[in-house]
Amino acid sequence: KQEVTQIPAALSVPEGENLVLNCSFTDSAIYNLQWFRQDPGKGLTSLLLIQSSQREQTSGRLNASLDKSSGRSTLYIAASQPGDSATYLCAVRPANNQGGKLIFGQGTELSVKP
Amino acid sequence: NAGVTQTPKFQVLKTGQSMTLQCAQDMNHNSMYWYRQDPGMGLRLIYYSASEGTTDKGEVPNGYNVSRLNKREFSLRLESAAPSQTSVYFCASSIPDSYSYEQYFGPGTRLTVT
Repeated sequence: KQEVTQIPAALSVPEGENLVLNCSFTDSAIYNLQWFRQDPGKGLTSLLLIQSSQREQTSGRLNASLDKSSGRSTLYIAASQPGDSATYLCAVRPANNQGGKLIFGQGTELSVKP
Repeated sequence: NAGVTQTPKFQVLKTGQSMTLQCAQDMNHNSMYWYRQDPGMGLRLIYYSASEGTTDKGEVPNGYNVSRLNKREFSLRLESAAPSQTSVYFCASSIPDSYSYEQYFGPGTRLTVT
């Protein structure tokens, strides 16, 4: 059974710092991995999607990498800002499922201090 | 485009009451999903609909029923609410591209069962 883990559960950094959020999964048979952002009391916003054949995706100050063989993904945030404060979730789409179901990690709550 | 919309935003029910959560998307997506989010548990899939006219169980379907009314709308029904169903419920839809299935989420419905 696929399991997704995000460590740490919470992270606090000063503004301007570069940081890395981690996501690990137990079964390397995936179609893709998606990173989401969730603001308090809000829904999820898709940040980046990495296909299983890709190594990384970039969007602005965000860079997500994927190492399928080791079951790991990282989300790198450059020059963090207070507006980056949110919970970040990763989710994998297992290769053996139909309909695009996702398996989610529990999230990392990020706080960027001014 | 409104994206994915959900009604109501908040609801309080007494044990044993029934209700239907509504979800609609205007992005012409084929697949739609219902998740619940509980503290420390991440998001878990309740039901999904890969296409109009089809529905399938997810990880935690007990106590719920769904209806894919048409391509735009996917509703979730609680027939006899229980305190264990207190949660935040998210609806999502995914693009027709069967390769990526990138998911887009609604703002959520916060349900409390007393």
